[in-house]
Amino acid sequence: QVYLVESGGGVVQPGTSLRLSCAASGFTFKNYGMHWVRQAPGKGLEWVAVVWHDGRNKYYANSVKGRFTISRDNSENTMSLQMNSLRAEDTGVYYCARDIRSAYYDYWGHGSPVIVSS
Amino acid sequence: EIVLTQSPGTLSLSPGERATLSCRASQSVGSSYLAWYQQRPGQAPRVLIHDASSRATGIPDRFSGSGSGTDFTLTISRLEPEDSAVYYCQQSGTSFWTFGQGTRVEIK
Repeated sequence: QVYLVESGGGVVQPGTSLRLSCAASGFTFKNYGMHWVRQAPGKGLEWVAVVWHDGRNKYYANSVKGRFTISRDNSENTMSLQMNSLRAEDTGVYYCARDIRSAYYDYWGHGSPVIVSS
Repeated sequence: EIVLTQSPGTLSLSPGERATLSCRASQSVGSSYLAWYQQRPGQAPRVLIHDASSRATGIPDRFSGSGSGTDFTLTISRLEPEDSAVYYCQQSGTSFWTFGQGTRVEIK
């Protein structure tokens, strides 16, 4: 069974940093691209970033480019999102999701809440 | 960047009725790169339809997808109470993925 488990969320002040992790199990992690998708309270889904299966290519939404860094460790079956210079508008639930053919997500984690507030 | 616009914002229908949800793209989207998701309150999204018209594993056949180019449709043929949720379309590209703003389906 495929499992994706996010961790690292919490309450932080604007301008500070936070690192989210996604632990994967039940599949060959190194064969799949992985994404972060977030959802602000009461709002829709917003794609954040993707890292390809081998970690060589990474892409970001314009709203986080230059502040967030996605990475992965295929030896540990984990993916991370380093979030710097956090803003109130970064508040939300952050999901990791498995990519299929760069076309859709077939598995999602349960989400990790991030609150940026003074 | 491709923008996806979903309509209507909310659908309120009775059990057994048919729901038709629309997703319009600002530019042409390859059919292989259009998916639909269901998100129930408090849950993570789950994929219903991928490649515009292929049902994901375990999805009931009352869910169907159609369309091409810039116009796509999700149809729920016979609504059941558990279909109460928000539905999102999503498109993917080489370096950018986007979601529509969602359609809320309410079961009377």
